[in-house]
Amino acid sequence: AQSVTQLDSHVSVSEGTPVLLRCNYSSSYSPSLFWYVQHPNKGLQLLLKYTSAATLVKGINGFEAEFKKSETSFHLTKPSAHMSDAAEYFCVVRPTGGGNKLTFGTGTQLKVEL
Amino acid sequence: GAGVSQSPSNKVTEKGKDVELRCDPISGHTALYWYRQSLGQGLEFLIYFQGNSAPDKSGLPSDRFSAERTGGSVSTLTIQRTQQEDSAVYLCASSSGQAHTEAFFGQGTRLTVV
Repeated sequence: AQSVTQLDSHVSVSEGTPVLLRCNYSSSYSPSLFWYVQHPNKGLQLLLKYTSAATLVKGINGFEAEFKKSETSFHLTKPSAHMSDAAEYFCVVRPTGGGNKLTFGTGTQLKVEL
Repeated sequence: GAGVSQSPSNKVTEKGKDVELRCDPISGHTALYWYRQSLGQGLEFLIYFQGNSAPDKSGLPSDRFSAERTGGSVSTLTIQRTQQEDSAVYLCASSSGQAHTEAFFGQGTRLTVV
């Protein structure tokens, strides 16, 4: 069985300050992990993915995430928030050896204030 | 095609009517997913197709929901006797089915049951 927990449903930051969106996972198999972003009235876009290579993954728009097996975490970070980062972010797990079903977290709404 | 295509983009239907939602995946992708996103909610898994294997229907909320995938390509999600609680955005995604690959999402069909 696999599951994803996004620890914060809403995060609010000031423009120019760091962003941290937290994600913990549970998977019976070695997982692939993804972060997707959804801007208002837009489709889901892949930000970055972890696929058992480097544990620090860099994605688009300055985002990165670090896979920590000991903590079963895959937190998303960005050094400096921009107004255009305001969106909903989803952490997703997919087991490598046990099928390809994607399991989504409940999402984190990021608000960026001036 | 260039991406996952869903039709219609919007559908308004009367309670009790049947609706069909269509998904054209990326050419060559063997895996196809349907998800539902209700207002303010995360993504709810509905059904998953992988090649010629039996689909994973574990997420279908009731027997009013069914889906098929013809020829390993186009998929149709059918909702019979629609109810107001069926109102949501229905998202389709496809992936190559290989390990570590991400899913690509369509823009969704916004279903409103009145």
